[in-house]
Amino acid sequence: DGGITQSPKYLFRKEGQNVTLSCEQNLNHDAMYWYRQDPGQGLRLIYYSQIVNDFQKGDIAEGYSVSREKKESFPLTVTSAQKNPTAFYLCASSTGTPSYEQYFGPGTRLTVT
Amino acid sequence: AQKVTQAQTEISVVEKEDVTLDCVYETRDTTYYLFWYKQPPSGELVFLIRRNSFDEQNEISGRYSWNFQKSTSSFNFTITASQVVDSAVYFCALSERNSGNTPLVFGKGTRLSVIA
Repeated sequence: DGGITQSPKYLFRKEGQNVTLSCEQNLNHDAMYWYRQDPGQGLRLIYYSQIVNDFQKGDIAEGYSVSREKKESFPLTVTSAQKNPTAFYLCASSTGTPSYEQYFGPGTRLTVT
Repeated sequence: AQKVTQAQTEISVVEKEDVTLDCVYETRDTTYYLFWYKQPPSGELVFLIRRNSFDEQNEISGRYSWNFQKSTSSFNFTITASQVVDSAVYFCALSERNSGNTPLVFGKGTRLSVIA
């Protein structure tokens, strides 16, 4: 089955710890994205990558980092510099053109206490 | 700058009623795409439709229909004979082609509750 996987579904961390969220796709898509969703805020773009070894900041990149070493994988690290990391994180992918429709994974709900 | 406004935060309807979700967008580009997504309680966003700026034909897919009007910068979504399974948050989104293939910008979503 082709799709996007994110693991785990729920993640709990202590304040001050870095945490990495995984995102893997087998759709052979070139572009991948990370969004953050807070209640009533819609989706906000954190980072996106159009090709391997290249990525661009989105609207709220501060306190986050990414890597794109393989086409299939786009992990997101939430660093201790992120002031309010508790949120629902969604990964998506699309064909090489960012303006086309994106397909989403099931999301990871991160809680930092 | 591009912007998407979904003025309806929450809507409740009784099963079998028709319901329209509003979406108004702003863009300076002449070539752009509009999208609708559904987010059920499970959390995963499901792609429903993409419409490009040159195609103003309305689209119907089963109980779903979309009305695109460039004159009012709107891309509204109607569900006919709503069902409980339609309960979800619905997002409208916009992307621009001429400004460098920008990723999608999402509205804040409309939460639809269909009551049996």
